[in-house]
Order: sequence, then structure tokens, then C-alpha cells
Amino acid sequence: KNEVEQSPQNLTAQEGEFITINCSYSVGISALHWLQQHPGGGIVSLFMLSSGKKKHGRLIATINIQEKHSSLHITASHPRDSAVYICAVRDTGNQFYFGTGTSLTVIP
Amino acid sequence: DGGITQSPKYLFRKEGQNVTLSCEQNLNHDAMYWYRQDPGQGLRLIYYSQIVNDFQKGDIAEGYSVSREKKESFPLTVTSAQKNPTAFYLCASRRQGFSGNTIYFGEGSWLTVV
Repeated sequence: KNEVEQSPQNLTAQEGEFITINCSYSVGISALHWLQQHPGGGIVSLFMLSSGKKKHGRLIATINIQEKHSSLHITASHPRDSAVYICAVRDTGNQFYFGTGTSLTVIP
Repeated sequence: DGGITQSPKYLFRKEGQNVTLSCEQNLNHDAMYWYRQDPGQGLRLIYYSQIVNDFQKGDIAEGYSVSREKKESFPLTVTSAQKNPTAFYLCASRRQGFSGNTIYFGEGSWLTVV
């Protein structure tokens, strides 16, 4: 049983397209994180959400606590956005659960 | 700049050998974590530590050991008892008691058994 489910697993887009990655979770959470993993393996945190919506540049993250669902949107996608995007939730005991990631490829 | 440093980036091990992966952070974070990542799977928790001189087993602790003698350091030893050690290992840290803080990751270490 996976506490965090992401979709799609793989996504290919043309440069400039609007992209959405979805995340559903089954545990009670303190916060939800969207992470970006580069081809070399390093991971950076993009967003931490506990409610509502956050925007950073072309990235937008939303969360619906009642539905236990979050989405990561990328507007005007660019090849440099190509990476694996991971949804992670932190439960009320401060433990993390990770989705398996969405591999995004943006083609010029 | 503050951050997490993992070393080595790439490591090769013969079967039957123990190896130790280093994780150092200068973020003054209390909590540190070790995760293992395999293709097609999410990160799985090996060990975590919320305070110096204390650590807890995660979901896949068998064949691994850790220590937390200093706040800055949380080394992971992959022992010969770990049957399938070839994987990507990530260290992470987070400041405890501050719900607004995020999690920081190191660059990861690739371990290959030859």
C-alpha cells in the first residue's frame, strides 16, 4: 500500500505547454512537499504546502486537504524543467512518505 | 552557504565489505534522515535521528547502521548483511519543532556492488 500516489508516472510535453502533475495521499498530514530531482540525483524542495496555493515563477502548487489531493502545475514549460518531480507528505508524527515520482521530459 | 554534503558521490564495494557514507550538515538542523531510492520506487526510510545520540530504525533498516555523535553528522554504514545494497542513497535534514520549515536533501551517493 502506497501512502502517496502520483500521476502520471511519465510525461512528455512540447516546450511551452501547460503541465499538471497530480498527487493523492491517504494519511493525515502536517504538510505536503513538492520536490524536484535532477538527472544527477540531487533533490531540491520546490514547495511546502499545508493549505491553499503557492506560486513561484512558472510553478504553481495547490492542495485540497479535504480531498487529500495536490497538484503541481508548470506554465510555459521549458526543456530545463525536465526532471523527476516527487510528491512527499509529512504526517503528524513528522515522518515522510514519498510518491514514486513523475518523470517529465520537455521537448524543444 | 548552508547545506548538506554527502560523500562520496560514487562508491563501489566488493561483496562482503562494509562501507560508510558520510552526511554532514551546517544548517543547525536537529532531524536527519537516510533514504534509499531504487528505480521505480519512492524513497524508503532507512534510519532517522531527531537528536544527538539517538536514532530510530526506518522501514528498511536491516543491514544498515548509523551513528549520531554530533549534530552535524549522520554517517550511514552499509554492512555485508545488506543483501542488495546497490542503490542511490539520500541524506536529508530538517529543523525540529518548527512546522514552517522544509526538508533539505544532499546530492546523494550512488553505491554499486561489484
